[in-house]
Amino acid sequence: ETGVTQSPTHLIKTRGQQVTLRCSSQSGHNTVSWYQQALGQGPQFIFQYYREEENGRGNFPPRFSGLQFPNYSSELNVNALELDDSALYLCASSSSDVSLRYGYTFGSGTRLTVV
Amino acid sequence: AQKITQTQPGMFVQEKEAVTLDCTYDTSDPSYGLFWYKQPSSGEMIFLIYQGSYDQQNATEGRYSLNFQKARKSANLVISASQLGDSAMYFCAMREGGGSGAGSYQLTFGKGTKLSVIP
Repeated sequence: ETGVTQSPTHLIKTRGQQVTLRCSSQSGHNTVSWYQQALGQGPQFIFQYYREEENGRGNFPPRFSGLQFPNYSSELNVNALELDDSALYLCASSSSDVSLRYGYTFGSGTRLTVV
Repeated sequence: AQKITQTQPGMFVQEKEAVTLDCTYDTSDPSYGLFWYKQPSSGEMIFLIYQGSYDQQNATEGRYSLNFQKARKSANLVISASQLGDSAMYFCAMREGGGSGAGSYQLTFGKGTKLSVIP
């Protein structure tokens, strides 16, 4: 089975710009979550998508938005980039049909640098 | 109050020795799950072990075991027979609420412990 794939792996943007990050979920998984991990910190939950709808959101402003597509892949969009948005962005997929005992599958992340 | 606390920013262990990484948690939800993840320098979060709040026995997965003390709200990870490849960041995480079906799967992570295995 394929794992979670994220693209791009690295990205440099200028403050004020917009960015789109992409995630392909693991085969058979229908739920995607996004996390932001600042340097030296644990990941922070941004939001989650299930059946193409956002059904959970962390403490992030509206300029963080997302999409989930019928094939369960997902995008994270960030508008008006700020320097503090520099972080590793992790995508995790899971399935609503099985117990979460089996864990979430994370991708390797996109490292975003805002200058 | 922090929901997940990892008090050890860094730990050293000799190769082939056992090591315990500490994690305490805080929740009022009777149904919750506790996870440990390993994050090597590549960035990927690798699932190690899971403990459900209603599980009667401590979880074990190969060289990993979880010392679950529910009354003390602690879920320490024990790695036996450390290997050089175990050097990485280790994160404890919690999911509050039911364990299956649609719903928010938000994980709350601690700040992590950096484990270094010495040859």
